[in-house]
Amino acid sequence: DAMVIQNPRYQVTQFGKPVTLSCSQTLNHNVMYWYQQKSSQAPKLLFHYYDKDFNNEADTPDNFQSRRPNTSFCFLDIRSPGLGDAAMYLCATSRDPGLSVDEQFFGPGTRLTVL
Amino acid sequence: GDSVTQMEGPVTLSEEAFLTINCTYTATGYPSLFWYVQYPGEGLQLLLKATKADDKGSNKGFEATYRKETTSFHLEKGSVQVSDSAVYFCALRRDTGRRALTFGSGTRLQVQP
Repeated sequence: DAMVIQNPRYQVTQFGKPVTLSCSQTLNHNVMYWYQQKSSQAPKLLFHYYDKDFNNEADTPDNFQSRRPNTSFCFLDIRSPGLGDAAMYLCATSRDPGLSVDEQFFGPGTRLTVL
Repeated sequence: GDSVTQMEGPVTLSEEAFLTINCTYTATGYPSLFWYVQYPGEGLQLLLKATKADDKGSNKGFEATYRKETTSFHLEKGSVQVSDSAVYFCALRRDTGRRALTFGSGTRLQVQP
């Protein structure tokens, strides 16, 4: 089945220690998104890639970076995690936001714990 | 800017009860509207959608109608099951310009046997 895969499902890191979360897709979608979801809150978009074109949200901290080496993979790098970065990180894909109806497909998420 | 407002939870119902979760939105133009469901420990799944006024989205017994005049997209189900226990997010996506989803804060539904 075509899907969005996130690894690992649970990630523990130490305060200030860089961490990378990964996302892959078999849907061959053009767009890949990263959302941060803190406990009992709505998902908040951090950034997205449209093909190789990186689009950062205005309020995303510089501590968060992303890489998309090819169509299938996208990575979220947190350079110096703080306690406030503990959250669920959701990856999503869509075919093309220019379409009138462009459904986003979500992965299961990676829950990040910062000690 | 765009915003989505949902009723606060948790909503606790007995099995087979009628469900309504209110959702209203603020956006320019004619956004598409969505309901996503998040089961414990999982990511978001699209439950239903509507792309224009008076459209009714439906799936798995859930329904929501796009009401332009009241800027609402309330989620309903006639008879809930224990397996419907989850967090439900209302979201919108603009038809022009910024195409990212804007989510409401989510409503937790707890269905008791």
